[in-house]
Amino acid sequence: GIQVEQSPPDLILQEGANSTLRCNFSDSVNNLQWFHQNPWGQLINLFYIPSGTKQNGRLSATTVATERYSLLYISSSQTTDSGVYFCAGWYSGGGADGLTFGKGTHLIIQP
Amino acid sequence: DSGVTQTPKHLITATGQRVTLRCSPRSGDLSVYWYQQSLDQGLQFLIQYYNGEERAKGNILERFSAQQFPDLHSELNLSSLELGDSALYFCASSVRRTGSPLHFGNGTRLTVT
Repeated sequence: GIQVEQSPPDLILQEGANSTLRCNFSDSVNNLQWFHQNPWGQLINLFYIPSGTKQNGRLSATTVATERYSLLYISSSQTTDSGVYFCAGWYSGGGADGLTFGKGTHLIIQP
Repeated sequence: DSGVTQTPKHLITATGQRVTLRCSPRSGDLSVYWYQQSLDQGLQFLIQYYNGEERAKGNILERFSAQQFPDLHSELNLSSLELGDSALYFCASSVRRTGSPLHFGNGTRLTVT
């Protein structure tokens, strides 16, 4: 199956700061998603972005499929943005691995 | 609210026991997936069903089994439970078998004592 690497593993920022989270894939994917897991354990679907750029409020994401990476941008961070951010991809060659997750970026926004 | 419903939210049981986790997918979604999240293994894909049939199998133990019923709800059965099975179990659903976004339920937190 594919390997998904996320960086950085941990990030501590002050409220109002901007951040960029990165996700690299070992092979091509045809389903790429970003999730936010909040402190209560809920997995919130942020973006479905196999390619291109999308924006939703203070969050935006860009996937460059040919170079096998995706970026998540968070602007003007708020304390409610704290949690773990996961990217996940599904190998475009098929297979039985389902949506493969990275280990996540643990983000802490301090007031 | 993702539209995916999982019950129960919490489950505490003893080693050697058997439990059943239940999932109702979003309306219109035909695919159901089960994932396990533990501290040391991260989010691991267990199994996928599409329209009642098993479509993909990941790191699912032989002690675990799942099925999808004609009304498209799914159940994950965990038997001969061990301490290491303690984890957060997620169900997700999607419209198609591949190439469509997954939407996750709130999970069932299983504690084996």
